[in-house]
Amino acid sequence: EAGVAQSPRYKIIEKRQSVAFWCNPISGHATLYWYQQILGQGPKLLIQFQNNGVVDDSQLPKDRFSAERLKGVDSTLKIQPAKLEDSAVYLCASSPSGSLGGELFFGEGSRLTVL
Amino acid sequence: KQEVTQIPAALSVPEGENLVLNCSFTDSAIYNLQWFRQDPGKGLTSLLLIQSSQREQTSGRLNASLDKSSGRSTLYIAASQPGDSATYLCAVNYGGSQGNLIFGKGTKLSVKP
Repeated sequence: EAGVAQSPRYKIIEKRQSVAFWCNPISGHATLYWYQQILGQGPKLLIQFQNNGVVDDSQLPKDRFSAERLKGVDSTLKIQPAKLEDSAVYLCASSPSGSLGGELFFGEGSRLTVL
Repeated sequence: KQEVTQIPAALSVPEGENLVLNCSFTDSAIYNLQWFRQDPGKGLTSLLLIQSSQREQTSGRLNASLDKSSGRSTLYIAASQPGDSATYLCAVNYGGSQGNLIFGKGTKLSVKP
């Protein structure tokens, strides 16, 4: 079974530029998550989708971050404009359902460096 | 504020040793607790998931315990191997949504041959 796919794996941009990350979850998984992991920290949830609807985006900095999951499958996370403090690994995860107690499956992440 | 703390931040042991990783959380009203493994440059792999009603879970050489009253969980690794070298993360879910996990900063484990 294919895992969660993410691209690009690495991205370097200047501050104030924009960047987009793509995620393809495990086939059939209804729930998709984006996390931000700053070096030396644990991941922090940015947004959770159930099919193509947003369940939780309370920690998403909406002035510069946006995410969509138009057809309930793939998702993109965009940052515009980027700041130095956005340097982090952006992890995508999926689960069969959003019900509590389920296991999350993570992709390998997209590492962003903002100069 | 709900916080998760992991001690130690780093641990180095010789191959074959049994070891314990610690996780503590400030709010005992948890829904579940998970232990993850993260290899360098990789995503997270779920190791064990303990529901709030459970005391422990076992998978192979791994055993995780949960004591809600004291706000603690431990991950026990038996007969450690060099392949166990990774960062181990503890994450607590308080029931808001499945993905709203509060993570510790992790314990970086190195098992020397």
